[in-house]
Amino acid sequence: GAVVSQHPSWVICKSGTSVKIECRSLDFQATTMFWYRQFPKQSLMLMATSNEGSKATYEQGVEKDKFLINHASLTLSTLTVTSAHPEDSSFYICSAPGSSGANVLTFGAGSRLTVL
Amino acid sequence: GQQLNQSPQSMFIQEGEDVSMNCTSSSIFNTWLWYKQDPGEGPVLLIALYKAGELTSNGRLTAQFGITRKDSFLNISASIPSDVGIYFCAGQPLDNNNDMRFGAGTRLTVKP
Repeated sequence: GAVVSQHPSWVICKSGTSVKIECRSLDFQATTMFWYRQFPKQSLMLMATSNEGSKATYEQGVEKDKFLINHASLTLSTLTVTSAHPEDSSFYICSAPGSSGANVLTFGAGSRLTVL
Repeated sequence: GQQLNQSPQSMFIQEGEDVSMNCTSSSIFNTWLWYKQDPGEGPVLLIALYKAGELTSNGRLTAQFGITRKDSFLNISASIPSDVGIYFCAGQPLDNNNDMRFGAGTRLTVKP
């Protein structure tokens, strides 16, 4: 089955630094990947849609310059949280339409970011 | 994407009991999905539904795609402690195949 690998699984950084999170489709190609943010005890909130070879599409209220997305290949999308602040601390999850169909998403294991 | 109406928000049950949760939407969906999320992990697909009226089982889990195409339910029979987690419904509206919407989740606690 489709596998999405996300790295790192957790990261702690100081305020003002930038953090990069990688999302890889291991056994299939993904021209589209999705990035979500999840606060404790809340649902998944779509941040942006990553498109291979073109600009990402951001949801309303998500700062493009704050959350940089790069989809450089058919198997890799990266999310960079720039100049991180404590309020950016959250659980970030990526997903991709799996090989079973475009309407079934396979999720990564998530990356927990803590900004001190 | 816009959230679906999922209920209940949380459930506290005794091991061995059956569980039922559901999702509703104001618009017609062409796909309903049910995911489970364990703490600190990403959601894992449990069941995918593609046709109105479809009833699909996965072990002790059973889910149905509502006939009106605006709702779906998930049942868990004979719950066990490892069923603990958050269950999310998700679906694609008929009028927008690029939009995947999620419910707010049902947090399940199973007491041994």
